[in-house]
Amino acid sequence: DQQVKQNSPSLSVQEGRISILNCDYTNSMFDYFLWYKKYPAEGPTFLISISSIKDKNEDGRFTVFLNKSAKHLSLHIVPSQPGDSAVYFCAASVELSVGSQGNLIFGKGTKLSVKP
Amino acid sequence: KAGVTQTPRYLIKTRGQQVTLSCSPISGHRSVSWYQQTPGQGLQFLFEYFSETQRNKGNFPGRFSGRQFSNSRSEMNVSTLELGDSALYLCASSYNRGTEAFFGQGTRLTVV
Repeated sequence: DQQVKQNSPSLSVQEGRISILNCDYTNSMFDYFLWYKKYPAEGPTFLISISSIKDKNEDGRFTVFLNKSAKHLSLHIVPSQPGDSAVYFCAASVELSVGSQGNLIFGKGTKLSVKP
Repeated sequence: KAGVTQTPRYLIKTRGQQVTLSCSPISGHRSVSWYQQTPGQGLQFLFEYFSETQRNKGNFPGRFSGRQFSNSRSEMNVSTLELGDSALYLCASSYNRGTEAFFGQGTRLTVV
């Protein structure tokens, strides 16, 4: 049973346009969400996170939106650059007790290709 | 500040053998988690250690085990290797559990 789903295995976008990567989750107890980027032969790199008390978090070209009622989050990259081409994973965790989160649950990833 | 270090980077083993992978977390990080990445399966959670105790375990057989030392360094062991164990094994460390985790470059294990 997959709790974090990334239904698009791949996405192709033109340089300069917006990339929108989507992620759905089933566990309503998730309260912390993260996006990671992964290049081949490297470990994932943390990009941006959002707590369930927010619906938007921005960091430069990257913005994450959270829709708790739809159990959906998305990562917007604008403008997209060829160097953004990578696999993007979303992840989520549950607060087990005050100050203690459970382990991160990852989606299967979406491969983004940004064409010049 | 040094990142997460995993050794070895590459490993080739034969079926039936056992293997031990090592992970040195970022200094000061207390949580270490292990993940298996295979094509099409994303990052599958193996287990998490926090302050030398296994706090959580994924849905993997008992052949997969791990431990954490007092300096937070962690090892994972896979016994009686199977061809399907071929994967990239990633270690991630974080200061607190479930928060922003930093990954190592992984160990690419090939079982022949």
